[in-house]
Amino acid sequence: DIQMTQSPSSLSASLGDRVTITCRASQGISSNLGWYQQKPGKAPKRLIFSASSLQSGVPSRFSGSGSGTEFTLTISSLQPEDFATYYCLQYNSFPWTFGQGTKVEI
Amino acid sequence: EVQLVESGGGLVQPGGSLRLSCAASGFTISSFSMDWVRQAPGKGLVWLSRITIDGSITINADSVKGRFTFSRDNAKNTLFVQMNSLRVEDTAVYYCGRVGGYNDFDHWGQGTLVTVSS
Repeated sequence: DIQMTQSPSSLSASLGDRVTITCRASQGISSNLGWYQQKPGKAPKRLIFSASSLQSGVPSRFSGSGSGTEFTLTISSLQPEDFATYYCLQYNSFPWTFGQGTKVEI
Repeated sequence: EVQLVESGGGLVQPGGSLRLSCAASGFTISSFSMDWVRQAPGKGLVWLSRITIDGSITINADSVKGRFTFSRDNAKNTLFVQMNSLRVEDTAVYYCGRVGGYNDFDHWGQGTLVTVSS
């Protein structure tokens, strides 16, 4: 199975901050990686697919980069609605695996 | 509008059974692969299973292999998971998800909570 190591597990940030979350895959996954945002009691919401493609309707302050084994989600200027937990997902091979999650809080 | 609505969750004793459903609207499930994911309370997301377009192949995570059976009824536009021999560690919110054109989840249901406890 491909292990996805996501860091940090949590971070404290302020409005307007630039936030970076990283996922490392235990083996190469090309660009078969997505990023999801989850708020308490809600289903995950797709932000980024194919490592760097922005989901329609998602604000442009979100961006993704990377390929192979190293991936990054960046929020350029943190807004109040961005406080949530973020997960990466590799869909290169079965079983699909998620990172452990990063909780972004004030 | 694409919608996925899970149902069937509830409280069940260890060793018991439960059947979950995922009703789709706004699209035809026969045109998409569909997956199940679960999330234990306060924990992360865990992928469970893939059902291909014709339902003939499912790929189960080891944690539920042999106990959970995943299926789909294209005529009802609904997915199912029959969960047997439930364990305390199966307590989680269960989500269904649509696998979109980029081979990842483009839509999720709101989830249904399964609690396994005596």
